[in-house]
Amino acid sequence: NAGVTQTPKFQVLKTGQSMTLQCAQDMNHNSMYWYRQDPGMGLRLIYYSASEGTTDKGEVPNGYNVSRLNKREFSLRLESAAPSQTSVYFCASGGGSYEQYFGPGTRLTVT
Amino acid sequence: SQQGEEDPQALSIQEGENATMNCSYKTSINNLQWYRQNSGRGLVHLILIRSNEREKHSGRLRVTLDTSKKSSSLLITASRAADTASYFCATVKGGSYIPTFGRGTSLIVHP
Repeated sequence: NAGVTQTPKFQVLKTGQSMTLQCAQDMNHNSMYWYRQDPGMGLRLIYYSASEGTTDKGEVPNGYNVSRLNKREFSLRLESAAPSQTSVYFCASGGGSYEQYFGPGTRLTVT
Repeated sequence: SQQGEEDPQALSIQEGENATMNCSYKTSINNLQWYRQNSGRGLVHLILIRSNEREKHSGRLRVTLDTSKKSSSLLITASRAADTASYFCATVKGGSYIPTFGRGTSLIVHP
């Protein structure tokens, strides 16, 4: 099992460009999450999906959109990137228990 | 907003010593979890303790929970250089299933 995979690993964007971060899990989990991690801030929840077909805002959703394509895949889209969105983005999934399983992260720099 | 706050922010010890890090939180919880993050990697779940439990062990890890003080501690016994990582507590409130992460403790274990 690959667990949770994310692509790309690294990305550099110019202000105003758009991009989609991809996430997939092979653990048959219902819930999936997108977090951002900034120095000294811990992890902050951007969006989550409790099950296929549903998505909800987290703590910091502004500037982002998500799509739960199917049970396996949950993508995060930046429509018009801003320097404030420079961060490390983590996707996670969760099954019937409370624990979460994280992907390796995408390091995004917006210039 | 962070529900849990870890203390200390940074901890530096010698191999073989014990490492203790603490987490305080503000509102009542269903459970509290500890995660480890190695540099450049995603978070890995270590242990979950429920609100009706006071202590839990997993290998060299010992977690305590004091709901009256709204605090938890993670003890790593006989630390190894490989334990060098950041450690995060995450709390799950009653009625929710989504953990809220603290800012983390950075642990360095010198060989």
